[in-house]
Amino acid sequence: NAGVMQNPRHLVRRRGQEARLRCSPMKGHSHVYWYRQLPEEGLKFMVYLQKENIIDESGMPKERFSAEFPKEGPSILRIQQVVRGDSAAYFCASSPGGPFGNQPQHFGDGTRLSIL
Amino acid sequence: KQEVTQIPAALSVPEGENLVLNCSFTDSAIYNLQWFRQDPGKGLTSLLLIQSSQREQTSGRLNASLDKSSGRSTLYIAASQPGDSATYLCAPTENDYKLSFGAGTTVTVRA
Repeated sequence: NAGVMQNPRHLVRRRGQEARLRCSPMKGHSHVYWYRQLPEEGLKFMVYLQKENIIDESGMPKERFSAEFPKEGPSILRIQQVVRGDSAAYFCASSPGGPFGNQPQHFGDGTRLSIL
Repeated sequence: KQEVTQIPAALSVPEGENLVLNCSFTDSAIYNLQWFRQDPGKGLTSLLLIQSSQREQTSGRLNASLDKSSGRSTLYIAASQPGDSATYLCAPTENDYKLSFGAGTTVTVRA
């Protein structure tokens, strides 16, 4: 039973390029969450998605960042025109969903994004 | 905005000692609270989830308590082993899905 799969594990981009981070949730999970861990800081919530819907994107920067979770395929976190400050570890988590948040979130190993 | 504080920031103990990790949070209106461990360069492994209506939860050598009204949770690890060395993160959940994380407690268990 595979866990949450994220790829790539490491991604290097030059300033101004685009970064695409992918996340396949655990089998049977329809809820996906993205978190960012900046160097020397704790994880911060970015966005919560269900299939084809963004439920809460309150933690995502308004510009350059977007997320999707299509009906088929993995969830994608897209960062356009990357800047040095985007260097961080990006974690995806998934849960089966359920009433009142009783289900634990399961995390992937993250994508380490480095901006040159 | 939920603020989560974990004390101590780091802890080093000899093998066999019991560990006590503290977590405090500012907004007591939480749905549940999860404890995770994070190994260097890795993702988070869920250890325990305590519902807001529960006082404690146990799994093997791990026991977590929750005092929601005072905004505190404590993780106890009995008879520590070198394999327990990791960073432990406390994460209360608001809006039934949004985890807020502390900076963590980095534990080193010496053989």
